[in-house]
Amino acid sequence: DGGITQSPKYLFRKEGQNVTLSCEQNLNHDAMYWYRQDPGQGLRLIYYSQIVNDFQKGDIAEGYSVSREKKESFPLTVTSAQKNPTAFYLCASNPTLGGNQPQHFGDGTRLSIL
Amino acid sequence: KQEVTQIPAALSVPEGENLVLNCSFTDSAIYNLQWFRQDPGKGLTSLLLIQSSQREQTSGRLNASLDKSSGRSTLYIAASQPGDSATYLCAALNSGGYQKVTFGTGTKLQVIP
Repeated sequence: DGGITQSPKYLFRKEGQNVTLSCEQNLNHDAMYWYRQDPGQGLRLIYYSQIVNDFQKGDIAEGYSVSREKKESFPLTVTSAQKNPTAFYLCASNPTLGGNQPQHFGDGTRLSIL
Repeated sequence: KQEVTQIPAALSVPEGENLVLNCSFTDSAIYNLQWFRQDPGKGLTSLLLIQSSQREQTSGRLNASLDKSSGRSTLYIAASQPGDSATYLCAALNSGGYQKVTFGTGTKLQVIP
């Protein structure tokens, strides 16, 4: 079955540590996104990528970094510069950027501070 | 800047009742509007997508409407079931040179058997 796989499901970060969240899709979609979800708030866009080797900052990119070396993979690194990383992180994809197709989501990674 | 609001934040109804979830947005220059369902600890599942040129979309017991002029969308759920219990989010995609999706904070629905 085609879909988006996020791993790990739960992740713990120590002070000063960088951690990387994995997102893999086998839908052959060009566009991929990372969102952060906090209780009582809507999803907020961290980074998005329209195509391989291209990515753009979203609304809350500070303290995060991404790469898009392969079409199917869009990993997110939460750096030590992100002072409040505890949240639920969701990866999504679309066939193309800005198209009239539904977004597909992974099952998320919950990141907590140790 | 687009703002998307969903009221109420939580709703509890008895099984079998028909119900309406509301979504309002401030910028009517949207490309489309999506309704999603989110189960606890899970990602979002797309339910319906309404393009800006459309007035409504239907899927099974679900019907979503869109009124751009008033900045409102509604999700109608007929004959609610306990399995419909989840958080429902709407998201507006604005026109522009890049994809900008603004999500509402969701309505948490509980259907009581």
